[in-house]
Amino acid sequence: EAGVTQFPSHSVIEKGQTVTLRCDPISGHDNLYWYRRVMGKEIKFLLHFVKESKQDESGMPNNRFLAERTGGTYSTLKVQPAELEDSGVYFCASGPRGKQFFGPGTRLTVL
Amino acid sequence: QQPVQSPQAVILREGEDAVINCSSSKALYSVHWYRQKHGEAPVFLMILLKGGEQKGHDKISASFNEKKQQSSLYLTASQLSYSGTYFCGTEIYPSNTGKLIFGQGTTLQVKP
Repeated sequence: EAGVTQFPSHSVIEKGQTVTLRCDPISGHDNLYWYRRVMGKEIKFLLHFVKESKQDESGMPNNRFLAERTGGTYSTLKVQPAELEDSGVYFCASGPRGKQFFGPGTRLTVL
Repeated sequence: QQPVQSPQAVILREGEDAVINCSSSKALYSVHWYRQKHGEAPVFLMILLKGGEQKGHDKISASFNEKKQQSSLYLTASQLSYSGTYFCGTEIYPSNTGKLIFGQGTTLQVKP
C-alpha cells in the first residue's frame, strides 16, 4: 500500500513569493491533516479535513495560508505571500479516525 | 498545552533499555507515539486510549496513566534501528477532531 506522498520535497523561495504544497493521502483515508515543524521546535497542528470539509483550522497562522481539498482526495496548502517565519517542514498526515500516517514532509525555505 | 517529554536526549549501547516519558497538564483522550529518522516521515508506533492501557510493538511498549496524564514509552534491548527522534502526540479530552499536540521530541542514539 502506498503511503502519504508530498510534493515538492524541498522548496526555496524568496520572501513575497507564492508557494503551493501538495499532499496525496493514502487511498480511502477521509481524514487529512497538515502540520508544520519550525526548526528546533515541536510539530504543530495546522488544520484537519474530513473528506473535502475543513473540520478544524484552528492552527492556521494567518490568512496568508490557504488549504484546499477538492473532491476529498489530494490537498494543497498555499502560502501567499511567503514570509521568513514560514520556513520549516510541512507535514501532511492521513488516516482513519484515531490513527495518523505521516508523509515525508516538504522542507520550505523562505529567503 | 504542549506535553513535556523527558529526557530530551539519551544515548544507549545496543541491548540497553530506555524509557521516554510524555506528560500533559490537560486531560487526555489519547496518546500517539511516533519515531522519526532524519529527513524521513514520522513513523506511527502505537496509540493509547483513555483507559490506562498498555500496548506492545515488538520490543517497544507503552503505557498510559490516566490519573497522571502521563504516557511512557519503553524500549527494551535496544537495536541500532531504534535510533531517531521520538515524539508523543496528545489528543486533548474531549477530542472530536483527531488534532494532535506534540511534545518537543526525545532524541535517542543507539551505539554498537
